[in-house]
Amino acid sequence: GENVEQHPSTLSVQEGDSAVIKCTYSDSASNYFPWYKQELGKGPQLIIDIRSNVGEKKDQRIAVTLNKTAKHFSLHITETQPEDSAVYFCAASPAGGTSYGKLTFGQGTILTVHP
Amino acid sequence: DTGVSQDPRHKITKRGQNVTFRCDPISEHNRLYWYRQTLGQGPEFLTYFQNEAQLEKSRLLSDRFSAERPKGSFSTLEIQRTEQGDSAMYLCASSPRRVRAFFGQGTRLTVV
Repeated sequence: GENVEQHPSTLSVQEGDSAVIKCTYSDSASNYFPWYKQELGKGPQLIIDIRSNVGEKKDQRIAVTLNKTAKHFSLHITETQPEDSAVYFCAASPAGGTSYGKLTFGQGTILTVHP
Repeated sequence: DTGVSQDPRHKITKRGQNVTFRCDPISEHNRLYWYRQTLGQGPEFLTYFQNEAQLEKSRLLSDRFSAERPKGSFSTLEIQRTEQGDSAMYLCASSPRRVRAFFGQGTRLTVV
C-alpha cells in the first residue's frame, strides 16, 4: 500500500518568513496530492491540491510543487501570519481505480508562527 | 451551512458499550469516507461508500465496527463492545465525482 512520509514534524518561524513542508510517497499509482490544515479540535480543511499532470500550483500565499519522478511534493507558505499556525497534513491518493479518493496521510507538521 | 456534518461532536462511553456516530455529507456528494485519527497522527482510512455501496474496508475496521449508508445519503458508524484503544477522533469526508474530499469536524470518542 501507499506510504507517505512528512518532514519536519515541527516548524517554528517568525511572522513574515516562509515555511516549507516536504512529503514523499511510495506508490507510483498515486496521482492526486492534497494538503490539509487542521486547527485544534477541528476537522482537516483542504487548502490546496495538485494532480500529477501539473508540476506547480499557487493560490495566493500558498503553493505546492510536485516532482513525480522523485516522488516528492512540497507545500510553500510565504509571508506567514500567526493565523497560519496549525497542523498541516499532506496526503496522496490514486485518482482512479477502486481506491479512487482513498487518502493516505503523512504524520503532520506542527507549524508555529511567532508574531 | 452546507459542509459535512457529524454528530455527536463528543462522546464519552464506558468500555464494553456500543456507540453510533452519524455523518451527513455535502449534498449530492456521492462518495463518503470514514477515517480515524489518534493524537499526534494523521487520519487513517477506515472505509468508504459510493452512493449506498460500501466499496472498501481497511483492516483497521475490525468485526466490532460496522458502517452503513442507507439510500446513499447519511452514513452511520457503529462500534460494538468499545475498548480503550477505540478512543480517537472519527472523521467523515465526502467528495463529488472528482477526487477532492471535504471533512467534517469529527466525533471525539473517549472510552473510559
